[in-house]
Amino acid sequence: QKEVEQNSGPLSVPEGAIASLNCTYSDRGSQSFFWYRQYSGKSPELIMFIYSNGDKEDGRFTAQLNKASQYVSLLIRDSQPSDSATYLCAVKGRGSTLGRLYFGRGTQLTVWP
Amino acid sequence: DGGITQSPKYLFRKEGQNVTLSCEQNLNHDAMYWYRQDPGQGLRLIYYSQIVNDFQKGDIAEGYSVSREKKESFPLTVTSAQKNPTAFYLCASSIEGASKDTQYFGPGTRLTVL
Repeated sequence: QKEVEQNSGPLSVPEGAIASLNCTYSDRGSQSFFWYRQYSGKSPELIMFIYSNGDKEDGRFTAQLNKASQYVSLLIRDSQPSDSATYLCAVKGRGSTLGRLYFGRGTQLTVWP
Repeated sequence: DGGITQSPKYLFRKEGQNVTLSCEQNLNHDAMYWYRQDPGQGLRLIYYSQIVNDFQKGDIAEGYSVSREKKESFPLTVTSAQKNPTAFYLCASSIEGASKDTQYFGPGTRLTVL
């Protein structure tokens, strides 16, 4: 069973700050990583995906991947109250489990004005 | 509009009843998935299908059944054998289930057992 671990939080940051969300995974050979945002009572929506080591930026969001350390993170710059949600880290399976995602339990983020 | 639809949005079931949750997509995606989410928990995979007339069990398939007779449809039946079915059920799809495929989610069905 592949494991995906996230800080359970909750994480609370002031408006305008940088929020840092972390995720580790157990399968060293994993290749594809995804971050989803889930508002309370709603379904997850994709924020970013990353496949290569290093940083990937999209607006206020930056995903960071370090395969050697089996670590992926999401940074949210200039955090806004509308960013308050649960953030889910997901890792794509490989081999016989190719196609399925393994999810962490999520980190609840609150951005206060 | 292209997307994934799930119905109903809310569903109430009496103990001992089977219920079927609908999932339809018009994205022309080959792969479809069913997840279950309990409060404060991540998503757990129930079943997935990467092609019509074929599907695989996920991590918590007991008490559930699926069919994939059409590319655009992947209904989930929650049977009376599922001991604790109250949860938020999410359907997702992706182009072909490949390594770099992205999964997109429907709006979900919230099932409550009375």
